[in-house]
Amino acid sequence: EVQLVESGGVLEQPGRSLRLSCAASGFTFDDYAMHWVRQAPGKGLEWVSGISWNSGTIGYADSVKGRFIISRDNAKNSLYLQMNSLRAEDTALYYCAKGSDSSGYSTTFDYWGQGTLVTVSS
Amino acid sequence: QSVLTQPPSASGTPGQRVTISCSGSSSNIGSNTVNWYQQLPGTAPKLLIYSNNQRPSGVPDRFSGSKSGTSASLAISGLQSEDEADYYCAAWDDGLIGAVFGGGTQLTVL
Repeated sequence: EVQLVESGGVLEQPGRSLRLSCAASGFTFDDYAMHWVRQAPGKGLEWVSGISWNSGTIGYADSVKGRFIISRDNAKNSLYLQMNSLRAEDTALYYCAKGSDSSGYSTTFDYWGQGTLVTVSS
Repeated sequence: QSVLTQPPSASGTPGQRVTISCSGSSSNIGSNTVNWYQQLPGTAPKLLIYSNNQRPSGVPDRFSGSKSGTSASLAISGLQSEDEADYYCAAWDDGLIGAVFGGGTQLTVL
């Protein structure tokens, strides 16, 4: 059974940094691209970032480019999101999602975690 | 303002057929496949339709998808109360070099 478990969400002050983690199990992690998708309270879904199976292809939404860094450790079956220079508008539930292929150039997210809540407020 | 445009709401009575539209442009829907997600209240999104019109295992055939040019549609036939959820379309955008979602459509079963 595929499982994605996010962690690391907390209440943090604007301008500070935070690192989210996603522990994956139930599939061959290094065969697939992985993504972060967020949902602000009461709002819709927003793709944040994606990474190919070997970290060779990485993409970011314009809203986080230059502030967030996605990475993965295939030996640990884990996905990460380093969030720097946090802003109030980064407040959201952050989902880890498995891509259906290895490339990262896809929006077919076939499994999702339950999300971890990031709140940015002073 | 979402890159893909969906109606904010839709409704129908049990047994009816409803459709939800998703409008984009040549850089996203016009050149890439469309996926649809269902988000039941308080839960994570679930892949409902992929590659324009394919259903993952376990998704009832009441759900169907189509695409024409720069627009796509999700159709739900034989509407049931458990279909009450938010529905999102998504596509890769070659100009933005990233994934884009529609703003979501809240479906109410009357």
